[in-house]
Amino acid sequence: AQTVTQSQPEMSVQEAETVTLSCTYDTSESDYYLFWYKQPPSRQMILVIRQEAYKQQNATENRFSVNFQKAAKSFSLKISDSQLGDAAMYFCAYRMPPNSGGSNYKLTFGKGTLLTVNP
Amino acid sequence: GAGVSQSPSNKVTEKGKDVELRCDPISGHTALYWYRQSLGQGLEFLIYFQGNSAPDKSGLPSDRFSAERTGGSVSTLTIQRTQQEDSAVYLCASSLEGAYTEAFFGQGTRLTVV
Repeated sequence: AQTVTQSQPEMSVQEAETVTLSCTYDTSESDYYLFWYKQPPSRQMILVIRQEAYKQQNATENRFSVNFQKAAKSFSLKISDSQLGDAAMYFCAYRMPPNSGGSNYKLTFGKGTLLTVNP
Repeated sequence: GAGVSQSPSNKVTEKGKDVELRCDPISGHTALYWYRQSLGQGLEFLIYFQGNSAPDKSGLPSDRFSAERTGGSVSTLTIQRTQQEDSAVYLCASSLEGAYTEAFFGQGTRLTVV
């Protein structure tokens, strides 16, 4: 079964600084999808960034970028110029590839990293 | 509506009672998922609906849990004979078909069993 591991239960960063959140996963598939979701205190999960495994280029979304190391099964999230509004729980997630059976679109999540941004 | 809507937002129930949690997905989204988030834990998959296909119920923790989706839209998650370990936030999400598509989440229902 696929597993997603986030080894950092909590992280903190100074406003305007850069922070990297770690994520590793276990899969025997060669094609799959990876996501980072943000969960603020409102509880609503918000997609931050996503990556297709067959694409070697790392995804970027404004201040958010990923370091995708397929061989190492690592998918870290880098937040640049951190802002107070970035404070939240961050979840890494894995989705199985298409045509893989009934759980095609099931997202498997890590346990999350709580990010604190200090002013 | 503009987003995924879940009701109630919070629910307190006595041990042994049945509860129903409702999810209104985004209009046109064929996929609907239920997840459970226990305190300090990640999201645990419960059940997945896709169009008219048979739902994937592989994540339901016991036969006290069931879910249905009527008319390909609204979904109800039912927990019978609630136990204290059922206390958690129950999150619903919907998406268009496709593994790369974004799943949009509701704000969840916080269930407390006393």
